[in-house]
Amino acid sequence: ETGVTQTPRHLVMGMTNKKSLKCEQHLGHNAMYWYKQSAKKPLELMFVYSLEERVENNSVPSRFSPECPNSSHLFLHLHTLQPEDSALYLCASSRQIETEAFFGQGTRLTVV
Amino acid sequence: TQLLEQSPQFLSIQEGENLTVYCNSSSVFSSLQWYRQEPGEGPVLLVTVVTGGEVKKLKRLTFQFGDARKDSSLHITAAQPGDTGLYLCAGARKTGANNLFFGTGTRLTVIP
Repeated sequence: ETGVTQTPRHLVMGMTNKKSLKCEQHLGHNAMYWYKQSAKKPLELMFVYSLEERVENNSVPSRFSPECPNSSHLFLHLHTLQPEDSALYLCASSRQIETEAFFGQGTRLTVV
Repeated sequence: TQLLEQSPQFLSIQEGENLTVYCNSSSVFSSLQWYRQEPGEGPVLLVTVVTGGEVKKLKRLTFQFGDARKDSSLHITAAQPGDTGLYLCAGARKTGANNLFFGTGTRLTVIP
């Protein structure tokens, strides 16, 4: 048990669907992140939130829309995705931005 | 541009053998972390090294931070099948919003 919980664990969606990924951390951390992990590619940082404010948007397409309503919750809203967006989406949190990251178990997303 | 390069990319060894994984960069980091990720799960933090030349041991795993804080190594003694996984290094820097840079990863398979 990592203290960072992601739901759902698996998601299959069509290219015209709208879905959301949810992340919750119980560690009292101030920073939260979304990462994308594709086969044979390094972890790609997508978004960084510090104290509920977005501090980094790493050139992510607008079909991915993050939301951080409070320091414990992070969402990733998905719409009109492409098959190449299929990947493992990982949420992480840390005490501060440059400290160790604690990851959730990820959501395995398949776009059909 | 990949800030942190890991080698080897893939490693398959017999149970009981020793191995070393390397994490190299031309950049200086304030700290460096090692994670292990098992299939279908998120990365789990193993250790953080902070001081140049620092050595940390975690049972059969030995982690070393380079003197110049640009590189690190992970040595596993008498590898076990339970060591199988993706090993990721991550360097932390105190500048900018994207402060944690992940390496390319080493996928280790220990054959019983």
